[in-house]
Amino acid sequence: KAGVTQTPRYLIKTRGQQVTLSCSPISGHRSVSWYQQTPGQGLQFLFEYFSETQRNKGNFPGRFSGRQFSNSRSEMNVSTLELGDSALYLCASSSAPTGGTDTQYFGPGTRLTVL
Amino acid sequence: QQQVKQSPQSLIVQKGGISIINCAYENTAFDYFPWYQQFPGKGPALLIAIRPDVSEKKEGRFTISFNKSAKQFSLHIMDSQPGDSATYFCAASSGRDNQGGKLIFGQGTELSVKP
Repeated sequence: KAGVTQTPRYLIKTRGQQVTLSCSPISGHRSVSWYQQTPGQGLQFLFEYFSETQRNKGNFPGRFSGRQFSNSRSEMNVSTLELGDSALYLCASSSAPTGGTDTQYFGPGTRLTVL
Repeated sequence: QQQVKQSPQSLIVQKGGISIINCAYENTAFDYFPWYQQFPGKGPALLIAIRPDVSEKKEGRFTISFNKSAKQFSLHIMDSQPGDSATYFCAASSGRDNQGGKLIFGQGTELSVKP
């Protein structure tokens, strides 16, 4: 099976702009979770989507949003970019049974730089 | 209560030695504890995972020890090799209330194995 893919791999934006990142999960996986990775804060959970619905949300401002499509592909959007949004954005997919936990498989990430 | 504390922050081990990384948690609802390995420029990759119904799990040179009463778990890498040099993250999640897609990560340990 192909792994989790993320596009684009690298992105440079300026403050105030918005950005959309894309994630294609492993075939058959219905859950997609997004994480932000920075040297200072480490890996932080943004949100999880399952069957096109946001199932969990982390402690990030409303500028961070996401969605999931019927084929389980997911996008996350960051509006009004700030310098502090510079990070590696990772998505992970899992089969995620209802009420249980399952292995999350990570993509290579999108490196976002905000100037 | 959602935190996972990981130590040490960095670790230097000689080739052939044992690398030990420790994690502690507070949320007793956590029921899944994976360890991830991350190389520079890559996404985290699952190394090994454990659930609280067992106290130890071994896969090749990697062993997780789990102490439910102390709310601690650790990763042991036996016969450490230079190729093991990477950043290691412990994580935890709870299957309760459909929170399984939300991994809480430790701060990471940068392991360097000297030849």
